[in-house]
Amino acid sequence: SQQGEEDPQALSIQEGENATMNCSYKTSINNLQWYRQNSGRGLVHLILIRSNEREKHSGRLRVTLDTSKKSSSLLITASRAADTASYFCATDEGAGNMLTFGGGTRLMVKP
Amino acid sequence: DGGITQSPKYLFRKEGQNVTLSCEQNLNHDAMYWYRQDPGQGLRLIYYSQIVNDFQKGDIAEGYSVSREKKESFPLTVTSAQKNPTAFYLCASSIEAGFSYEQYFGPGTRLTVT
Repeated sequence: SQQGEEDPQALSIQEGENATMNCSYKTSINNLQWYRQNSGRGLVHLILIRSNEREKHSGRLRVTLDTSKKSSSLLITASRAADTASYFCATDEGAGNMLTFGGGTRLMVKP
Repeated sequence: DGGITQSPKYLFRKEGQNVTLSCEQNLNHDAMYWYRQDPGQGLRLIYYSQIVNDFQKGDIAEGYSVSREKKESFPLTVTSAQKNPTAFYLCASSIEAGFSYEQYFGPGTRLTVT
C-alpha cells in the first residue's frame, strides 16, 4: 500500500522560481526520505530526515517534517530546467519496515 | 565504476513466457530490492533480500520469484502467473536492509508483454 502521498501530483514553474512539494503519511514513522527520478531512469536519493528532526538542508533543497501533522515538504529554491523530474517521498511503513513510496510529484521547470 | 546495473534496458516477451530480469551491484551492499513502477505511479515493492540466500515477499510478490545465491546478484523472474506484467522494473540496494538506509537504484528494465 502507498503510505506517503505527494501533493500536488504535477507542478509547472518558471526557471528561478521556488518549487514546493508536500508529502502526507498515515501512521508514525522513524524517518522519511525524498528521491528524484528523471524520466525513464532510476531513482536518486536526495535527503533523509529523521522523526526527531524538523528541518534539513542540502544545497538548494530544504526538507521539513511535521510529525504532528504527519507531513513533510520539499522545497527547491531557484529552480533550474535540470530540476525537471518526478519527486517521491518514502516512509518506513512497508512490509518488514521496508520503504513505501508515494505516487510522486511531477515537476516541470520551464526555461 | 561502482553501482547497480540492470539488463536489458528494454525487454519484449509473449504472454505465457517466463522472463528473468538481471540485477548486479558492486557496492558490497547486503540488501537488495525489486520494485515495480506503472505509468505515472510510485514504486511498489515486489521482493527484498537482506542477505545472501535469504529473501522476503514485499507488497506485490504474486507471480514473481527471486533468488540470491551471490551477494552481487538478485535476479527477478516474472512468471506466466503474473496477470499484468508490463511495467518498469527497478532494482535497488542498500548497505543494510531497512528504513534507515538510503537506497541506490539501477537504471531499470522496461518489460512489455504482448
